[in-house]
Amino acid sequence: NAGVTQTPKFRVLKTGQSMTLLCAQDMNHEYMYWYRQDPGMGLRLIHYSVGEGTTAKGEVPDGYNVSRLKKQNFLLGLESAAPSQTSVYFCASSKERPRYTFGSGTRLTVV
Amino acid sequence: DAKTTQPTSMDCAEGRAANLPCNHSTISGNEYVYWYRQIHSQGPQYIIHGLKNNETNEMASLIITEDRKSSTLILPHATLRDTAVYYCIRGGGATNKLIFGTGTLLAVQP
Repeated sequence: NAGVTQTPKFRVLKTGQSMTLLCAQDMNHEYMYWYRQDPGMGLRLIHYSVGEGTTAKGEVPDGYNVSRLKKQNFLLGLESAAPSQTSVYFCASSKERPRYTFGSGTRLTVV
Repeated sequence: DAKTTQPTSMDCAEGRAANLPCNHSTISGNEYVYWYRQIHSQGPQYIIHGLKNNETNEMASLIITEDRKSSTLILPHATLRDTAVYYCIRGGGATNKLIFGTGTLLAVQP
């Protein structure tokens, strides 16, 4: 019973590099979300999905792309990383009502 | 903008009740009030939610005013492990998405 698993937990990227963050949930949840959290701030919604094959933009989608090819996985991509994308990234999922289950986060540093 | 208004920080003595206020004066009729908390750098944790009526679970109680413009989260017997940032969020709807604010940092003092 893993819940929401985020991979990797830590990563350092050089400016211009690309990477994909993986979020996997084993609770058969329909809804999945990607947030970022900068120091001293609350969480900001990047992209979300209301079901397999669907994605939608959140508050701060620029510079990110997402895919939900399988119900249990939600991928967040950075095509060309920038220092402004240094942040902690949280994935969450929910089945009904926004009773989210969050992952433990991915700490990304872009140098 | 679906934000709420919360105090930046609060203190509470260990063993006492912690009462965290939240203002959501522009909440619409079908929006719920949700409370989450984030301990240190962990992922946020769901606490409780409500629409109109007061709610209670094993973690906390939620008191919503009759006009629904404000609410209070009550931790009945705060412990040091309750030190965290508490987020009051209004939302729901078809997308189930939540927009977080900056929350209240609750410091439980020994």
